[in-house]
Amino acid sequence: GQQLNQSPQSMFIQEGEDVSMNCTSSSIFNTWLWYKQDPGEGPVLLIALYKAGELTSNGRLTAQFGITRKDSFLNISASIPSDVGIYFCAGRRSGGSNYKLTFGKGTLLTVNP
Amino acid sequence: SAVISQKPSRDICQRGTSLTIQCQVDSQVTMMFWYRQQPGQSLTLIATANQGSEATYESGFVIDKFPISRPNLTFSTLTVSNMSPEDSSIYLCSVGRGTVPSTGNEQFFGPGTRLTVL
Repeated sequence: GQQLNQSPQSMFIQEGEDVSMNCTSSSIFNTWLWYKQDPGEGPVLLIALYKAGELTSNGRLTAQFGITRKDSFLNISASIPSDVGIYFCAGRRSGGSNYKLTFGKGTLLTVNP
Repeated sequence: SAVISQKPSRDICQRGTSLTIQCQVDSQVTMMFWYRQQPGQSLTLIATANQGSEATYESGFVIDKFPISRPNLTFSTLTVSNMSPEDSSIYLCSVGRGTVPSTGNEQFFGPGTRLTVL
């Protein structure tokens, strides 16, 4: 099946640092979504992107839909301890069964206070 | 966003038994999905729950093992049948509005059901 390459796999940072993670694909996507999953919880939608080049912010989070439509990144500025969790990218392809999402493998973020 | 609840939140089951997981949404939604998240892994789509018709299963998942019901636009069940330890996972219900992806047609997830099979 379609794969999304998400990196890095894990990050260990100090409180206050900025974080960047990204997802790439060999196929074109028409939607990119970023989720955060806390331990014992379901994924929570952070940001949704629908247009190539779109840059969207949600508080300290900023995500961009790549111009080629094959990649997306998520930045977190001035990290705080509650940013700890697993961040997943998800993409929706153009055409076919275009309601389905493909998920990346996740980025585990640890923030040291 | 929709408010999604799942029952049970967790269970420990014996090999060979079956467990039915319920998903309830606080508003009518067009699309309902069931995902599996194995320990330390990403999310894998099991099937799309279709209201009034048979679910659409992804490659590697079959109706006999994961029967799904969707009697209306706010409720669905997933049964994990004849369980083995390999079925130990988090099972997640997800919903989306609209049949064609468009702005605002995101997918939202329930809290998950944590299943352990002994």
